[in-house]
Amino acid sequence: KAGVTQTPRYLIKTRGQQVTLSCSPISGHRSVSWYQQTPGQGLQFLFEYFSETQRNKGNFPGRFSGRQFSNSRSEMNVSTLELGDSALYLCASSLPGQGNGYTFGSGTRLTVV
Amino acid sequence: GENVEQHPSTLSVQEGDSAVIKCTYSDSASNYFPWYKQELGKGPQLIIDIRSNVGEKKDQRIAVTLNKTAKHFSLHITETQPEDSAVYFCAASKGSSGGSNYKLTFGKGTLLTVNP
Repeated sequence: KAGVTQTPRYLIKTRGQQVTLSCSPISGHRSVSWYQQTPGQGLQFLFEYFSETQRNKGNFPGRFSGRQFSNSRSEMNVSTLELGDSALYLCASSLPGQGNGYTFGSGTRLTVV
Repeated sequence: GENVEQHPSTLSVQEGDSAVIKCTYSDSASNYFPWYKQELGKGPQLIIDIRSNVGEKKDQRIAVTLNKTAKHFSLHITETQPEDSAVYFCAASKGSSGGSNYKLTFGKGTLLTVNP
């Protein structure tokens, strides 16, 4: 079956702009989480969505937001981009209540210049 | 909140040798401990996981052990091969509730290099 699909794979944006990243989970997976990966901070949790509702949120500023659609697809948005937002953004999906057996996508590499 | 420490940060072994990566966690409520392998240009791939009601789990050349008392878990790879070279991450979580999954807290990663 198809894995977790993230688009686009690469993105270059200018400081102050906003960006939207997309994630299509594995069919049947209704829980979608987002993580930021940087060399300095490693993998950090952004938020988790289940049944179109944000259930958990990490320690990121309000510039980071997301949503989930009825087909479980998810988007995350970063407004007023800063240089420090440059990172690999990873989406992961899992079956609900499966104790976090997450499958990750290949990520979107965001570069802010 | 949860804190996961992972050691070593780099590990170099000869093909055929064993590799061991160790992690400690701080939150006694954590009950799910996965290990991920990340290759260059790819997302993390789940390779094995263990829950707190189990002390050890094995899958071919890979095994994970958990010591709940010491809040310590380890990944063991036997008969290493060059294709095992990658970054390995441990993680901890409180599992799930009401269909929603608690976040994974990751260690900083271990770069494993298997020399032919």
